[in-house]
Amino acid sequence: QLQLQESGPGLVEPSETLVLTCTVSGASISSNNYYWGWIRQPPGKGLEWIGSIDFSGSTYYNPSLKSRVTIYVDTSKNQFSLNLSSVTAADTAVFYCARLPGGINGVCPLCSYYYYGMDVWGQGTTVTVS
Amino acid sequence: QSALTQPASVSGSPGQSITISCTGTSSDVGSYNYVSWYQQHAGKAPKLLIYDVTNRPSGVSNRFSGSKSGNTASLAISGLQAEDEADYYCSSFTSSSTLEVIFGGGTKLTVL
Repeated sequence: QLQLQESGPGLVEPSETLVLTCTVSGASISSNNYYWGWIRQPPGKGLEWIGSIDFSGSTYYNPSLKSRVTIYVDTSKNQFSLNLSSVTAADTAVFYCARLPGGINGVCPLCSYYYYGMDVWGQGTTVTVS
Repeated sequence: QSALTQPASVSGSPGQSITISCTGTSSDVGSYNYVSWYQQHAGKAPKLLIYDVTNRPSGVSNRFSGSKSGNTASLAISGLQAEDEADYYCSSFTSSSTLEVIFGGGTKLTVL
């Protein structure tokens, strides 16, 4: 059974870099039929997509966070990680990792992306910036 | 990249049917059939209910159904049950030339 588990510090100081890791068990992160993503939820607020990565390391970021976000994959450990730099109190949130089934049709640049939602989620990890 | 617009709250009595709307633009909901819906109970991770506008993952009750017209997608829940009380979020692609996703602001469903 596929499971995702987030890990990382619960408390980060302002201006520092937040680093979170998602460990995937029950399936290989190297499958070319999936993306892997990070989503956050500030206290009492809605969900925000942070970014995603595929097995080859191609990354896709929320334009509003792009300047501060790096997502990378470690296939040897079946993990992918999130770096969020220059954090402020506004980055305090529950962070989730998730699987996104999908892929690419055609050959880029004349390609189109598709996905089938975020079908498996981690339990979430709370990060406080203070 | 503005969030999709959902009503803040909806309510219904057990056994009734309700609909939650999700309004975007011609650049997201109106352009792609990659609309998903998620259910989130308090303190829990979201759960995928609907993908590609109308499709239900295996194991999701057929009381949940999705549709789309123009720039607005909708989630319908029939035969309301107490356990349906939760927050519901829609999401959509914003571009097919890359992978970019936006969420709605969420709707709190109260079962009276």
